[in-house]
Amino acid sequence: QVQLKESGPGLVQPSQTLSLTCTVSGFSLTSNSVHWVRQPPGKGLEWVGAIWSGGSTDYNSALKSRLSISRDTSKSQVFLKMNSLQTEDTAIYFCTGGGRFAYWGQGTLVTVSS
Amino acid sequence: EIVLTQSPTTMAASPGEKVTITCRASSSVSYMHWFQQKSGTSPKPWIYDTSKLASGVPDRFSGSGSGTSYSLTISSMEAEDAATYYCLQRSSYPPTFGSGTKLEIK
Repeated sequence: QVQLKESGPGLVQPSQTLSLTCTVSGFSLTSNSVHWVRQPPGKGLEWVGAIWSGGSTDYNSALKSRLSISRDTSKSQVFLKMNSLQTEDTAIYFCTGGGRFAYWGQGTLVTVSS
Repeated sequence: EIVLTQSPTTMAASPGEKVTITCRASSSVSYMHWFQQKSGTSPKPWIYDTSKLASGVPDRFSGSGSGTSYSLTISSMEAEDAATYYCLQRSSYPPTFGSGTKLEIK
């Protein structure tokens, strides 16, 4: 059974760095890509970035300068780091994996506020 | 970046009514994927590769389209179908989502 679970701080201060972890079970990170998608409260879905099975990454061009995605295959974990956070980054952050975004975590709400 | 425009933004349908949601792409895409999201939950894969139903999706749902115009159709609306539906294209990077269609039951 494939499961993804996001974890991280619920509250981040403006200008600080966000660190999120996606822990995966039931599939291999070396055979599957993992994407991050975010959703501001009451709004639509936005693709944030991805790490591919080979370890390469792709980022949303609007976030690229602030964003880093990495992984630890031994721990089946994918990491998202985004710096210089602004209030507009307040959102539920989902990790999703498998072909065609088949599997999703439950999401973690990140609030950027002082 | 390919922009996906969904219509309508919001709609309400009576039980038994036929429903069609449209997703138009700013450039041609090979396939369209659809997700269903209910309040407080993560999106669920609903239709993939334009017309294939994800596991567990009732067969009253169907998907069709090509090029820049795609649609999701419900042949007979049921209360459990009330949700927000998003289209997604992965033919061109970056992947982009439509803005969503909120479907309510009358």
